Amino acid sequence: SQQGEEDPQALSIQEGENATMNCSYKTSINNLQWYRQNSGRGLVHLILIRSNEREKHSGRLRVTLDTSKKSSSLLITASRAADTASYFCATGEGGYNKLIFGAGTRLAVHP
Amino acid sequence: GAVVSQHPSWVICKSGTSVKIECRSLDFQATTMFWYRQFPKQSLMLMATSNEGSKATYEQGVEKDKFLINHASLTLSTLTVTSAHPEDSSFYICSARNRVLSNEKLFFGSGTQLSVL
Repeated sequence: SQQGEEDPQALSIQEGENATMNCSYKTSINNLQWYRQNSGRGLVHLILIRSNEREKHSGRLRVTLDTSKKSSSLLITASRAADTASYFCATGEGGYNKLIFGAGTRLAVHP
Repeated sequence: GAVVSQHPSWVICKSGTSVKIECRSLDFQATTMFWYRQFPKQSLMLMATSNEGSKATYEQGVEKDKFLINHASLTLSTLTVTSAHPEDSSFYICSARNRVLSNEKLFFGSGTQLSVL
């Protein structure tokens, strides 16, 4: 099963610009997480926001959560070429808190 | 730390053969591991939840006799793709949760690219 949609599917920007990715989900959640995947590799956890939180920061990352709209956004400020990757949101469900991933956004940052 | 090792990184096999993929938690015990499948430029689709010492819980639409999961120890889960066919070609990724560090986030292996000829 897949949780929801991510928007945009692909994003191409220049170094130094900000990148914003959006995620929508369908069910009630305990938390929402963002992960990064470099091409053909495993995923790396970036940031987690709980259902009772509205905004969270980590370095150049800012995540917001709107539970009334069932949506979240990830902002990467002052982007770098090394930020080029796919970004996925994921929500925890069920007794095992399994993660269900969104469709992902492919970010390309050009030098 | 929370390192998850997955082997092999890639495998090519003939149609009809079986392929085993291993997922190990190197520096922590993982009572629960998760297996995902990913097609090119698509998201991760959860296949099953692997529980140490018990049967795996499969997601709807995933054939349990096709994708055999064994979680015999607290540090090892295996996924066996039985009688593989070209449509089974995909990127398979395992993940585990280190409950000492976090009961929420997952640590991922580097994935296995399976190509069935």
